[in-house]
Amino acid sequence: RKEVEQDPGPFNVPEGATVAFNCTYSNSASQSFFWYRQDCRKEPKLLMSVYSSGNEDGRFTAQLNRASQYISLLIRDSKLSDSATYLCVVVSGGYQKVTFGTGTKLQVIP
Amino acid sequence: NAGVTQTPKFQVLKTGQSMTLQCAQDMNHEYMSWYRQDPGMGLRLIHYSVGAGITDQGEVPNGYNVSRSTTEDFPLRLLSAAPSQTSVYFCASSPVVEGIMAQHFGDGTRLSIL
Repeated sequence: RKEVEQDPGPFNVPEGATVAFNCTYSNSASQSFFWYRQDCRKEPKLLMSVYSSGNEDGRFTAQLNRASQYISLLIRDSKLSDSATYLCVVVSGGYQKVTFGTGTKLQVIP
Repeated sequence: NAGVTQTPKFQVLKTGQSMTLQCAQDMNHEYMSWYRQDPGMGLRLIHYSVGAGITDQGEVPNGYNVSRSTTEDFPLRLLSAAPSQTSVYFCASSPVVEGIMAQHFGDGTRLSIL
């Protein structure tokens, strides 16, 4: 089993739709979690950290489920500009163990 | 407004050549790191540093060296380039707040080894 797994997609959704991605992780001692977005041939950019209590930033909501070992990202009212690859990141064992998922591709269709 | 600056943006090398990828940040971040990104594999950590004079290995350190003589700079050296090192390389920096690292990435260096 991979340490961090994501459905590669692509997820093709119409504008205005709500879409959710999950990311599972194998190390129960993982300490911190993040979502990044990466546009084609660009660098990853931090979207949001994921807190134990869940957190929201505008149309984006991130959740952490430690019991089932996954994090989720919910995007409401999808925009064309949300089209990108979404990467989850899991940090465990301190600074050495920063593991990126391979990403989920989202395509928002007019 | 520079953030994390990587040079060069593109490079082609021959097998066996050496080179240094440069990375500089102007945000006074303690933590800096180098990743490589290959199709279908996600970003993989090569080396990282938690401050000047301190470096450590990540997941895929073989064939690469780093040093951190200043807070700002974190160069990555390829000792003897191999075709397997063809990849996109990203440098990142982060403040460390209660163990949480929110990393800022440079634009990347696209490296081809022939």
